[in-house]
Amino acid sequence: SAVISQKPSRDICQRGTSLTIQCQVDSQVTMMFWYRQQPGQSLTLIATANQGSEATYESGFVIDKFPISRPNLTFSTLTVSNMSPEDSSIYLCSVGGKGPTYEQYFGPGTRLTVT
Amino acid sequence: AQSVAQPEDQVNVAEGNPLTVKCTYSVSGNPYLFWYVQYPNRGLQFLLKYITGDNLVKGSYGFEAEFNKSQTSFHLKKPSALVSDSALYFCAVRDDGGSTLGRLYFGRGTQLTVWP
Repeated sequence: SAVISQKPSRDICQRGTSLTIQCQVDSQVTMMFWYRQQPGQSLTLIATANQGSEATYESGFVIDKFPISRPNLTFSTLTVSNMSPEDSSIYLCSVGGKGPTYEQYFGPGTRLTVT
Repeated sequence: AQSVAQPEDQVNVAEGNPLTVKCTYSVSGNPYLFWYVQYPNRGLQFLLKYITGDNLVKGSYGFEAEFNKSQTSFHLKKPSALVSDSALYFCAVRDDGGSTLGRLYFGRGTQLTVWP
């Protein structure tokens, strides 16, 4: 299994500012994902972070709001831009295996509160 | 379209009693099914998965799950619940190909509470 760390673990930010969340994996992985978990709700996939190319965003999420970088096979960042209170969520980084039979592993999450 | 339903938001059970957390799914191809657990202020932890073969799969912490193709279900079970099992449980599905390769679809989660 992969060991995933995220920074920061939590933050309180003011409306209109941006926060960049880092995700570090202890091994090279092909698939990296970013999820949002709003209070009391399930996980929503924001985007798939592709190494060497632009991220693939899910419906309802756009690059201007959630820019993603993936400079190598062990690291990715997600930026939450121009934040509003509605962005208050837990943001989770996840990595996948080599194919559909492999489970995904999740980082501990970043708890973001926007005031 | 792929989807997962967890019909119960909450499941309450006494310690020592058996527990079941329900999950049904819908996929266009063959399903790959997963259970995850989330403790407070933690990320998701993988419990077990069904890919193919024996319908009863065993996982971490004494949990098991039964795949039922005719009922499109994958219920999570444990013969004897512990207070420490209290957590949020997510069922997830992925199908075996197509443009959704790599993506998991999650249920809304079931909060399990085990009381002493």
